[in-house]
Amino acid sequence: DTGVSQDPRHKITKRGQNVTFRCDPISEHNRLYWYRQTLGQGPEFLTYFQNEAQLEKSRLLSDRFSAERPKGSFSTLEIQRTEQGDSAMYLCASSPSGGITDTQYFGPGTRLTVL
Amino acid sequence: RKEVEQDPGPFNVPEGATVAFNCTYSNSASQSFFWYRQDCRKEPKLLMSVYSSGNEDGRFTAQLNRASQYISLLIRDSKLSDSATYLCVVTRKGSGAGSYQLTFGKGTKLSVIP
Repeated sequence: DTGVSQDPRHKITKRGQNVTFRCDPISEHNRLYWYRQTLGQGPEFLTYFQNEAQLEKSRLLSDRFSAERPKGSFSTLEIQRTEQGDSAMYLCASSPSGGITDTQYFGPGTRLTVL
Repeated sequence: RKEVEQDPGPFNVPEGATVAFNCTYSNSASQSFFWYRQDCRKEPKLLMSVYSSGNEDGRFTAQLNRASQYISLLIRDSKLSDSATYLCVVTRKGSGAGSYQLTFGKGTKLSVIP
C-alpha cells in the first residue's frame, strides 16, 4: 500500500502523559498536513510542512503540541501533558508539489483517548 | 458564522432514492471545492472535486455556484454502500508557501435503507 500511513492507530493514555504520533506520507509528496477531528465535527487544520519546514500553524496548536518533519519525509506530532480535551482522531494528509496541489490524501488516523 | 455550513442531517433514504446535499461557504477567497466521504471511524476520502461548470461521476453530480457561495452534491439511485458521512470541503491558500488549508463542514450523515 503506497498511501499515507499513521502509527499507532489507537492510543489510550492517562491525563498528564506525553504521546507521540507518526505519519508517513506518500513518498513523492513534499507537503504534509496534520488535522484533528472530534466526534460529530469535520477535521480541523493544525499544521503544515513543506519538506522539513513547518510553514503554518493553527491557533488550535497550543504550546503543548509540537510537530516535526526532520528529513522532509515522515512527521511526528507530540502532545505533552495530555488533557481529556485532547481526545480526538489525529489525521495526517499529504499532497504533491505540482499539479492539483490542493488535493490532499489522508492517512487512517490515530485515535487518541485520554483518560 | 462557520466558514463551511452543511445540512445537519441525518438523511435516511430508501435504496434507489435520489438525495441532495447542500453546502454554503463564507470565504469568497476560497479557491477549490470538494466533497469527501467518510465512513464511520475511518479517514475522509476524496469523492469528487466541484467545478462551476458542474461535474458528474456516475451516479454523483456536483455543482458550484460561486456567486451565491453554494455547493451541492446529488446522488442518484442510492445504494446501501453509499451510507456514510459526506463532508463539504473548501480550500484557500494558507499563509505558508504552497499551503492550501482545507476547511471542512461538519458533515451530513446518509443512511440508505434496504
